[in-house]
Amino acid sequence: ELKVEQNPLFLSMQEGKNYTIYCNYSTTSDRLYWYRQDPGKSLESLFVLLSNGAVKQEGRLMASLDTKARLSTLHITAAVHDLSATYFCAVVKETSGSRLTFGEGTQLTVNP
Amino acid sequence: GAVVSQHPSWVICKSGTSVKIECRSLDFQATTMFWYRQFPKQSLMLMATSNEGSKATYEQGVEKDKFLINHASLTLSTLTVTSAHPEDSSFYICSAQKGPPDTQYFGPGTRLTVL
Repeated sequence: ELKVEQNPLFLSMQEGKNYTIYCNYSTTSDRLYWYRQDPGKSLESLFVLLSNGAVKQEGRLMASLDTKARLSTLHITAAVHDLSATYFCAVVKETSGSRLTFGEGTQLTVNP
Repeated sequence: GAVVSQHPSWVICKSGTSVKIECRSLDFQATTMFWYRQFPKQSLMLMATSNEGSKATYEQGVEKDKFLINHASLTLSTLTVTSAHPEDSSFYICSAQKGPPDTQYFGPGTRLTVL
């Protein structure tokens, strides 16, 4: 059974600071995704990571993937209040088609 | 683009009634759509995979007779919660797959409250 674990689950940080959210998964995976969810809203796709060493950046967010360690990171640079949301990683298990298994989510609060 | 809509956005119904939720891909065709449910402060749990023109594949523990899924066209999948009960109250989110690479695009969600 594929398990996806995020750390931390809750994160409160000040504007301007940097931080990293970690996503570990238990079995070999084809693809890893990062999503953002605002309260009461659905999911917004942030990144899709397809191969070992993949790195993608959009604004203050950067995601990377290490398939050997079964680890992905979402790095936040110089956080701003607008980044406050819940962030989910999700993994597609090899041979499962495209079924996603989600991590627990990291609730991020950026304080002024 | 890859826009997915859901209807209704929220619904309140009485216990014992059935509720239908629609999921549409607006600007692309999707042979595969997915249905998730999300309880407050929790992650998304996959309920079923909906394939156009064939029966849905349900995840373990999901009652197929209670959660009826129909994927009648390449742009529409429906989820019907039959004989709804208060414990079915949840946020239901659909996604439609587009690729390559295969990426799921999520609808805005439907909040169901069963009284």
